[in-house]
This record gives sequence, C-alpha cells and structure tokens, in this order.
Amino acid sequence: KQEVTQIPAALSVPEGENLVLNCSFTDSAIYNLQWFRQDPGKGLTSLLLIQSSQREQTSGRLNASLDKSSGRSTLYIAASQPGDSATYLCAVGSSGGSNYKLTFGKGTLLTVNP
Amino acid sequence: NAGVTQTPKFQVLKTGQSMTLQCAQDMNHNSMYWYRQDPGMGLRLIYYSASEGTTDKGEVPNGYNVSRLNKREFSLRLESAAPSQTSVYFCASRDRGGTDTQYFGPGTRLTVL
Repeated sequence: KQEVTQIPAALSVPEGENLVLNCSFTDSAIYNLQWFRQDPGKGLTSLLLIQSSQREQTSGRLNASLDKSSGRSTLYIAASQPGDSATYLCAVGSSGGSNYKLTFGKGTLLTVNP
Repeated sequence: NAGVTQTPKFQVLKTGQSMTLQCAQDMNHNSMYWYRQDPGMGLRLIYYSASEGTTDKGEVPNGYNVSRLNKREFSLRLESAAPSQTSVYFCASRDRGGTDTQYFGPGTRLTVL
C-alpha cells in the first residue's frame, strides 16, 4: 500500500524567503505526482503535476522535482509572499487509465509572515 | 465555467438519518471521485467512478453508497449516518484524456450528532 509522508507538518517563514517542502512515498512505481494548495475552508487547487518520466515542473515561483528511485519530491517556493500561506498537499498517482487513484500526504501548513 | 460544484455546503444530521451529497462537473471528464478529509488523517478516497455506469471502492467505503447518474453527476449517499462520518467531503473530477489533473469542488462540511 502506497504511503505518502510530508515533512515538515508546519512551517513559518518571513516574507521573501525561499523554501522547500518535502514529500516522500514508499512505492516508487508511480504514474505521476501532484502538488495541491488548500486555503482554509476551501477545496484543493492543483499547482503542479509531474509525470513519472519527468524530473521537474515549473510554474512561476514554484518548482517541483521528482526522484522516483528514492521516492521523493520537493516543492520549491521562491521569494515567498504572505499570499502563499496555505496548506500544501502532495499526492501520488497510481496506475494510469481507469484505475487511477491519488494517495495524499497529510500536508504542510505554511505561514509566510509579513 | 463552474468546474466542480457540490451541494450542500454545510449539513447537520442526527445519528441514523440519511442524506445524499450531490456533485456535478461541467468539464466533460470521465473520472470522478469522492474523498473525505479529517484532521490528522489527510484526504482518503471513499469511492470513484472511472466512467459513466461504473463505480469502485476506495480506501474507506464502509457506510457509503454512490451513484454515477450520468457523465456530469456523481452522488454520495449516507444511508444511516454515524458520528464517525463527521467530516469534510470533497468531490473531484479528472482530466483523463489530457493532463491527468484532478479538479476539486469546494467541499461539504457534514456534522453527525
């Protein structure tokens, strides 16, 4: 059974700092990996999706990397802003096609202080 | 473009009552999912539907039933609610033919007394 762990559980940083969120998974036979953002009381918003054949994806100030062999992914946020404060969730996708499912980590609660 | 919509947003039930959570998507996605989110447990998959007319159990299906009414709609039913089903429920749909991205609804906050 796939297990996804996110470290740290919570992180507080001053505005402007670059930061890294970590995600690890136990079964390296993944289809893809997604990073989501969740604001309090809201649904999840997809930030980046990395296919199993890719090493990284970038969107604006966000960069996600994937190392399948070691079972790790990182989300790098450059020049953090108070608006980045949210919970960040990592989710690992199983086999493609009709049986595709996501297994989620418990998230990292990020607070960026002005 | 509404994306994924869920109704109701909030609901309070008494133990033993039944209710149906509604979900609809307007993105023409084949796959749809129901999750529950609990403090300290993360999101867990309850049921999913790979296409119209098919449904499969996820990690925590006990106490729930689902119906894939058509391509747009996927409902979750609690036949006899229990306090352990107090949770936030999220519906999602997947862009299977494209990027594989899952799109989430805003959630239903359910309390069972």
